[in-house]
Amino acid sequence: GESVGLHLPTLSVQEGDNSIINCAYSNSASDYFIWYKQESGKGPQFIIDIRSNMDKRQGQRVTVLLNKTVKHLSLQIAATQPGDSAVYFCAEIPKGSARQLTFGSGTQLTVLP
Amino acid sequence: GAGVSQSPSNKVTEKGKDVELRCDPISGHTALYWYRQSLGQGLEFLIYFQGNSAPDKSGLPSDRFSAERTGGSVSTLTIQRTQQEDSAVYLCASSLLGLAGIADTQYFGPGTRLTVL
Repeated sequence: GESVGLHLPTLSVQEGDNSIINCAYSNSASDYFIWYKQESGKGPQFIIDIRSNMDKRQGQRVTVLLNKTVKHLSLQIAATQPGDSAVYFCAEIPKGSARQLTFGSGTQLTVLP
Repeated sequence: GAGVSQSPSNKVTEKGKDVELRCDPISGHTALYWYRQSLGQGLEFLIYFQGNSAPDKSGLPSDRFSAERTGGSVSTLTIQRTQQEDSAVYLCASSLLGLAGIADTQYFGPGTRLTVL
């Protein structure tokens, strides 16, 4: 559903389980995508990025998947930990642009003990 | 090294007053960005500085908003005659190059929470 005010899309997972957070984008000319993590009261923190010429990229415990056909981006977090609880949102840089845009209000991930 | 810093961390003001928000980017970063984040919302681009180029002001919501970057480093975002709808967290970010076609990571400061009463 649509997010209004505090009502972010939410995802609750058990500690140790894998998390999948999704993001849709609309600009087919987007060249570069970034996932950020934002903890309460803090600025966004870079997690992982991916270029449009790739469909998968792995980091430490995180994997980003890009499906350009349906303009969909996902972030997978393996073995989710309590410290992963935060709001996650994606951003993109269109070709020819140096500044970023973001999509929606992000997803609130809550890790349950 | 030090990250992006912003001051003040919190600002409460009365409607109609002017406010100035400050951003100190990471040393050596040529690009600086201002964003606004309303409660529970995503980031809204405001303005972007890159080196000595004219800033990209396309995101500023009204002429009450302005920003400057002195000496290619510190930036000040000024909001004149503040309105209640200006209440938000104002985030600053910097990146090494900020050039079109080159993707470099933006590093964010902790933000300034502005409340207009």
